[in-house]
Amino acid sequence: EPEVTQTPSHQVTQMGQEVILRCVPISNHLYFYWYRQILGQKVEFLVSFYNNEISEKSEIFDDQFSVERPDGSNFTLKIRSTKLEDSAMYFCASSVGGRGYTFGSGTRLTVV
Amino acid sequence: GESVGLHLPTLSVQEGDNSIINCAYSNSASDYFIWYKQESGKGPQFIIDIRSNMDKRQGQRVTVLLNKTVKHLSLQIAATQPGDSAVYFCAEKREGAQKLVFGQGTRLTINP
Repeated sequence: EPEVTQTPSHQVTQMGQEVILRCVPISNHLYFYWYRQILGQKVEFLVSFYNNEISEKSEIFDDQFSVERPDGSNFTLKIRSTKLEDSAMYFCASSVGGRGYTFGSGTRLTVV
Repeated sequence: GESVGLHLPTLSVQEGDNSIINCAYSNSASDYFIWYKQESGKGPQFIIDIRSNMDKRQGQRVTVLLNKTVKHLSLQIAATQPGDSAVYFCAEKREGAQKLVFGQGTRLTINP
């Protein structure tokens, strides 16, 4: 069964530091996403990426966030200057158009 | 046992009983719906999906029902097992969009 792989599984960072969360989507998928889940809450959409550009983003995805597909396999989420409220589980997902949405196991980001 | 969206976030059922988890979705333009299972510390795991041109779809031990008239989605799990303990989320996708919008989630616990 194809998987979406995320690294690291847990990242602890100091407030104000930059973090990069990494994902390897499923190889034949065309759409890539980042979602986040604050502890005990629902999963929230951050951004979708298609054809090497952002196709949609939420109001959470402000100037502190950026995404990149630096090569043919990786998809990254960068947070430039982390805040305490950025602490959450971050999930990468990929899909084949409007179906086949598959999520990774997540990166737990803790900002201290 | 049966739950009703945000008003009953926890559902407890006896092992072997059937479970019904409900979800009220928000957007009448949504054309695709997915149920996810999330175990503690893990990412959402696909269970079953349904398109808006259907009102019922069955999988292994699971059935999804869609009522577009009242914008209601339900997940039925037959013969609930201890391994079914998790939080269950419904997610909807609006026609023409790619992002998923998640519901609040229902925690299913199994009593022996």
